[in-house]
Amino acid sequence: DTGVSQDPRHKITKRGQNVTFRCDPISEHNRLYWYRQTLGQGPEFLTYFQNEAQLEKSRLLSDRFSAERPKGSFSTLEIQRTEQGDSAMYLCASSLQGDYEQYFGPGTRLTVT
Amino acid sequence: QKEVEQNSGPLSVPEGAIASLNCTYSDRGSQSFFWYRQYSGKSPELIMFIYSNGDKEDGRFTAQLNKASQYVSLLIRDSQPSDSATYLCAVNDDYKLSFGAGTTVTVRA
Repeated sequence: DTGVSQDPRHKITKRGQNVTFRCDPISEHNRLYWYRQTLGQGPEFLTYFQNEAQLEKSRLLSDRFSAERPKGSFSTLEIQRTEQGDSAMYLCASSLQGDYEQYFGPGTRLTVT
Repeated sequence: QKEVEQNSGPLSVPEGAIASLNCTYSDRGSQSFFWYRQYSGKSPELIMFIYSNGDKEDGRFTAQLNKASQYVSLLIRDSQPSDSATYLCAVNDDYKLSFGAGTTVTVRA
């Protein structure tokens, strides 16, 4: 069990650029979640997948955000036309179907300049 | 998302003392409750989960749940400097989690 991995760990981008993050869940976990965390706050839910199906998406997620999990394994989160307000830690977590316990990856810290 | 409130910090305790962290939640139908530890600059790490009323102990950690009062707590016994971190309370909202803002604990030697 190698845990949840995320890539890259840090990303600095200029406003208006597109960025893409990758998450590899724990191998037997079929549920995958994306959260965003800003300083002094708890993680905030963005979206989640069961296998390749995206089952829920937060109303806070603007149309500039899109996530995929094409083969039910790794997932990508893309942010188009980044804004300074997108600067945050983007966290991926995974769980087994039927379990509520979620295990987080190390996160991707995004800085938009 | 469901509301989760944690007692404001920071909380400073001497080494060897008990640290007590509190959390209340808004949805009486919530079933699963979690405590995560987050070191500065790192991601949250699951340390405890509790589903039934009462106490659950794991080493120096005890989680307490009172569904009637919509209250969950975490006790850290024999606090160590390595326990200095932010502790996040989370509640399930269907299969996603709703988090509180966290309580920062500092254990002073």
